[in-house]
Amino acid sequence: DVKVTQSSRYLVKRTGEKVFLECVQDMDHENMFWYRQDPGLGLRLIYFSYDVKMKEKGDIPEGYSVSREKKERFSLILESASTNQTSMYLCASSLSGDYGYTFGSGTRLTVV
Amino acid sequence: GENVEQHPSTLSVQEGDSAVIKCTYSDSASNYFPWYKQELGKRPQLIIDIRSNVGEKKDQRIAVTLNKTAKHFSLHITETQPEDSAVYFCAASDQTGANNLFFGTGTRLTVIP
Repeated sequence: DVKVTQSSRYLVKRTGEKVFLECVQDMDHENMFWYRQDPGLGLRLIYFSYDVKMKEKGDIPEGYSVSREKKERFSLILESASTNQTSMYLCASSLSGDYGYTFGSGTRLTVV
Repeated sequence: GENVEQHPSTLSVQEGDSAVIKCTYSDSASNYFPWYKQELGKRPQLIIDIRSNVGEKKDQRIAVTLNKTAKHFSLHITETQPEDSAVYFCAASDQTGANNLFFGTGTRLTVIP
């Protein structure tokens, strides 16, 4: 019963490419988040959205943008991929208020 | 914003022993503290959470304690089993409209059979 789906599990892209990471949730959650996970650094927030067409920067937004045209879909965009963006990317969603997140399975992106 | 520190980064225990992971947070207004377990190659999953109006919560072999005055909270796992081996993350909520979670850096727990 997968509830947060990330379109790709593994992705290899070249430096300078534009990269789209897609996330879809079927729980009618208002909030959606993009994190990157790196060893020793934990989960760092890139961008989040609490409503359709709304977006807010997290801690490390540089080099990324997002799109939320529909409530269930939250896309992360790497405008021009660089090697330091090689990482595991995790999407999550939650109901408004203080509720735990439901995470997707993650996308391991390698930029060569 | 919120800053969450988590210790230790790695923890090895013998099967059957207890494991304790500790986190501190900086924002006294934080009021929601979940813990996530991430097994190798899998997504983080919520295992237990606590809100600031209680001091302790238990669910079978796991428990979480919260000390609001000291701004720290801990995860306790008793009678550890090999399947408890995973990376555990603590988190604390901030007070923005989305109630973002700020995560600790994780603890890799290894339970030795």
